Amino acid sequence: GAVVSQHPSWVICKSGTSVKIECRSLDFQATTMFWYRQFPKQSLMLMATSNEGSKATYEQGVEKDKFLINHASLTLSTLTVTSAHPEDSSFYICSAPSGGAYQTQYFGPGTRLLVL
Amino acid sequence: KNEVEQSPQNLTAQEGEFITINCSYSVGISALHWLQQHPGGGIVSLFMLSSGKKKHGRLIATINIQEKHSSLHITASHPRDSAVYICAVRYGNKLVFGAGTILRVKS
Repeated sequence: GAVVSQHPSWVICKSGTSVKIECRSLDFQATTMFWYRQFPKQSLMLMATSNEGSKATYEQGVEKDKFLINHASLTLSTLTVTSAHPEDSSFYICSAPSGGAYQTQYFGPGTRLLVL
Repeated sequence: KNEVEQSPQNLTAQEGEFITINCSYSVGISALHWLQQHPGGGIVSLFMLSSGKKKHGRLIATINIQEKHSSLHITASHPRDSAVYICAVRYGNKLVFGAGTILRVKS
C-alpha cells in the first residue's frame, strides 16, 4: 500500500532555532499534502494545505511566517518551524490523499518536536 | 462549520467483547474516515465510507447519511486493538476530526 514518511521522527532544539520537517509520499504522487498538529490527549488540528507548485493555504489562526511550507515536488512537502519557542512543542503529522476524489488518506508517522 | 462528535470518550473492554464507537456530524459530507492511532502516534486509515457498510477482518464500519451518523464495531476484541480511534469527516478537500475514543482492551 501507499506509504508516507516523515523525517525526523523526533527533534529537540533550543528556543530561537528553526526546524525543518519533511513529508514524502514514497510510491505515489501527491499534488496536495496536509499538515496537522496534535497536542497531548487532543485530536489533530489542520494547520495548512500544501499545494505542489503554489502557495500553501493556512487555516485561521496559523501564522504563515511562523510555519513555512514548501511543496517543491510531487513527492515532498516541508514544514519549517521558524524561531521555535517552547509553545511550538507538539506532534506534527502530515497526510497525503491518494486515489480519485481523495479516496484514501495516508498519514505520516509524525514528528515529535520539543523546544527547550 | 462541521462539528464531529464521538462517543464514548473512553472505553475499557474485556478481551472478546463486542465494541461499538459512535460518530455524529452536523452537516453534509462527502466521506467519513475511521482512523486508528497507536501510542507511538502513527495513524492508520481503517475505512473510508460514503454510504452503507464496510468490513475488514474483525472491524465493521457503517454510515447513515440521512442521520449523519457512523459507527465502528470491533468483534472479538483483543488487547492489540487498544488504541485511539478517530472519526474524521471529509468536508470539501479537508478532514475535520473528532476528539477520538481511547479504547483499552484487557486480557
